Amino acid sequence: GDSVTQMEGPVTLSEEAFLTINCTYTATGYPSLFWYVQYPGEGLQLLLKATKADDKGSNKGFEATYRKETTSFHLEKGSVQVSDSAVYFCALSVNTNAGKSTFGDGTTLTVKP
Amino acid sequence: SQTIHQWPATLVQPVGSPLSLECTVEGTSNPNLYWYRQAAGRGLQLLFYSVGIGQISSEVPQNLSASRPQDRQFILSSKKLLLSDSGFYLCAWSLGPGVSTEAFFGQGTRLTVV
Repeated sequence: GDSVTQMEGPVTLSEEAFLTINCTYTATGYPSLFWYVQYPGEGLQLLLKATKADDKGSNKGFEATYRKETTSFHLEKGSVQVSDSAVYFCALSVNTNAGKSTFGDGTTLTVKP
Repeated sequence: SQTIHQWPATLVQPVGSPLSLECTVEGTSNPNLYWYRQAAGRGLQLLFYSVGIGQISSEVPQNLSASRPQDRQFILSSKKLLLSDSGFYLCAWSLGPGVSTEAFFGQGTRLTVV
């Protein structure tokens, strides 16, 4: 079946540090890939997405590139802020599977001033 | 634009009591609908999904049930809650069928069974 493995947390960084959260996947079809962010006590929000190989998704300074050859979709940001503290989920969706998304376990990021 | 409403935001219920969580979507037709549970500090577990009115698929055996009485309404229920039902419940929708798109989440319900 489909699965997503993401870097275990928690991750603690100082403000303006570089962020990488690793994500790899296995899928039976050709998936679309997503990063979601969850702030405390809230639902998940889409952060960025990529629908085909070599696509780069980007939003709010975050980036991730769909790498089919390594089945990866690593999240990066050049300079994190305190407001980026949240839980980040990598996910995939395959259109033959009732649109269901498969999520990683989430990575908690804390950014200290 | 599309919106999703989920209520209540928090709920404290005694063991053995019934449960009803409701979710409605506006601004789209025939969405795929999902109920997830998130245990403290952990990832999301898909409980149920629905591709149409009256069509419910269960992902894991459990003490809960789901119903979709209208196109954009999704209800999570239990006849008798267990302590292990405590958690953060999230409703979500996505475009369907036959497309792999992002899911749009409600704000969640924090359920504590005491």
